[in-house]
Amino acid sequence: GAGVSQSPSNKVTEKGKDVELRCDPISGHTALYWYRQSLGQGLEFLIYFQGNSAPDKSGLPSDRFSAERTGGSVSTLTIQRTQQEDSAVYLCASSLSLSGTLGAYEQYFGPGTRLTVT
Amino acid sequence: AQSVTQLDSHVSVSEGTPVLLRCNYSSSYSPSLFWYVQHPNKGLQLLLKYTSAATLVKGINGFEAEFKKSETSFHLTKPSAHMSDAAEYFCVVSDLGGTSYGKLTFGQGTILTVHP
Repeated sequence: GAGVSQSPSNKVTEKGKDVELRCDPISGHTALYWYRQSLGQGLEFLIYFQGNSAPDKSGLPSDRFSAERTGGSVSTLTIQRTQQEDSAVYLCASSLSLSGTLGAYEQYFGPGTRLTVT
Repeated sequence: AQSVTQLDSHVSVSEGTPVLLRCNYSSSYSPSLFWYVQHPNKGLQLLLKYTSAATLVKGINGFEAEFKKSETSFHLTKPSAHMSDAAEYFCVVSDLGGTSYGKLTFGQGTILTVHP
């Protein structure tokens, strides 16, 4: 079946502009996550959504970052007033739920959006 | 709190020889542990996972890992390396309690190079 998809695959923007990154999770997956992968910082958790619960935003690096998930499916990560340090690959993942009886469900990752802020 | 330490940033092996990628974890709760692989310019792919069932976990492409609670380790092994195994490998922990619930914490990654 279809995996996690993200768009755009690449985004170049000028410093100070706002950007929106989109994620389409696997159908039926209730949990959706955003991560950032950058040189020197590795892979960082940003935010997750689980069903209708309030999202866990504890990983968002500043108030310029926000995310929403509409209808329990598609998610959009918005970065306002982009800075050069925001340049990274933004990864989205989804899973059946946070955890089952044996432990955490594996997360399936999309191909990422490479964001370059000039 | 949860954390992961991958003990080697780079590992180089010859084709046909064994692979060992080392990982130690810290977890306040019973952890779930994963290994993911990332080939150049590709997305992350799950190799295998441990979720409190069998301590020896078999994954795709001949990889396996053993959960050792006493050593807080989850090392990844493969008996015979193939050229296509060259990639970056991430050890990942997920706590099932506390403030880290539901989050994956990634190690810094180990780049595996396979020589002909």
